[in-house]
Amino acid sequence: DAKTTQPPSMDCAEGRAANLPCNHSTISGNEYVYWYRQIHSQEPQYIIHGLKNNETNEMASLIITEDRKSSTLILPHATLRDTAVYYCIVRVAFGNEKLTFGTGTRLTIIP
Amino acid sequence: GAGVSQSPSNKVTEKGKDVELRCDPISGHTALYWYRQSLGQGLEFLIYFQGNSAPDKSGLPSDRFSAERTGGSVSTLTIQRTQQEDSAVYLCASSLVARGVNEKLFFGSGTQLSVL
Repeated sequence: DAKTTQPPSMDCAEGRAANLPCNHSTISGNEYVYWYRQIHSQEPQYIIHGLKNNETNEMASLIITEDRKSSTLILPHATLRDTAVYYCIVRVAFGNEKLTFGTGTRLTIIP
Repeated sequence: GAGVSQSPSNKVTEKGKDVELRCDPISGHTALYWYRQSLGQGLEFLIYFQGNSAPDKSGLPSDRFSAERTGGSVSTLTIQRTQQEDSAVYLCASSLVARGVNEKLFFGSGTQLSVL
């Protein structure tokens, strides 16, 4: 699976949009971009995924650049409960399942 | 149950003892993953099952670690002759394979293993 690069930490004011970047410059055509988060002392939680089109669900939006070398996870109105480590992962649709999470971005929502 | 179930939730053992950790995936999920997470660290991939087969065991830290899955459902992670560095939260996840695509992972709440 392609390697991803994320900033180690970010802060965001409560109520503002949190924009978390991820670089995956070596992504290949059959690899999806997935985002998960892990709130302190809890298990990881799926947020969203996409291949090349932008995606939106009840939790977040995912913006993937046209060349697919980077993406941004957007939490539109961050709350204190969104404080967590956010992991960006790229993976093939099926096959190599040595699914690694990396170190992620520690997002802190500031009251 | 509706989610991934892991047992026990906490396990305290003495160095040198063997332990078994159990994972009951979501019904119908053919893919099953084991991870471990040491305090303050990221997720370390251990092993993946598709059905009862584990095509890649290279993530297991040593030959003291083994895992099996029977009936395409319950999986057991066994650690023999436990060492203090084995202390961690062991997380299990499962996912559905639909239309040839691995879907999102659902995680259990983990087993906190403490080796004294």
